[in-house]
Amino acid sequence: QVQLVESGGGLVKPGGSLRLSCAASGFTFSDYYMSWIRQAPGKGLEWVSDITSSSAYTNYADSVKGRFTISRDNAKNSLYLQMNSLRVEDTAVYYCARFYGALDYWGQGTRVTVSS
Amino acid sequence: EIVLTQSPGTLSLSPGERATLSCRASQSVSSTYLAWYQQKPGQAPRLLIYGASSRATGIPDRFSGSGSGTDFTLTISRLEPDDFAVYYCQQFGSSSLYTFGQGTKLEIK
Repeated sequence: QVQLVESGGGLVKPGGSLRLSCAASGFTFSDYYMSWIRQAPGKGLEWVSDITSSSAYTNYADSVKGRFTISRDNAKNSLYLQMNSLRVEDTAVYYCARFYGALDYWGQGTRVTVSS
Repeated sequence: EIVLTQSPGTLSLSPGERATLSCRASQSVSSTYLAWYQQKPGQAPRLLIYGASSRATGIPDRFSGSGSGTDFTLTISRLEPDDFAVYYCQQFGSSSLYTFGQGTKLEIK
């Protein structure tokens, strides 16, 4: 069965960095676009970034452009999100999701808290 | 950027009733890339509807989606206790940008 497991969240000070990981299993990872979506406490869903199956193209929300970098390692069935210059407003649960016409499978999320 | 506006913000209904949730786009959206998700507290979102009207795997037929252009609707024909949650519409548009609506909270009356 399809499984996505995020890790790497935690508490970080403003201006700091974190690298999130998403381990995929149960499907041919290299065949699918993948995305990161976040949800601030008590708020709605916000798409963050996506990456094509071969890593040829990446896209970012304006709110994270220039600070976050999405990448993947198809040999390791893993998706990553490098987050630099973190701000208080980046505090959220970060989900990875598979894209196949829609975001059809989601992980359970990893919590990122940016606070001094 | 396409903005999705969901209404109502909160919908109070009883089990057995019919729920109609609206998602309006600021400009025309491809039906192919219009989806609906359900999210319960403390859980990840779950895909309900893709392509505006196709049910995802395992989704009961009491959930249906319709619409085109700028107006889309999620209908739950007969509410069950497990259906009370927050619902989001989402579109995947040009420049590979995704947009979510702000959500509709479906609560028990």
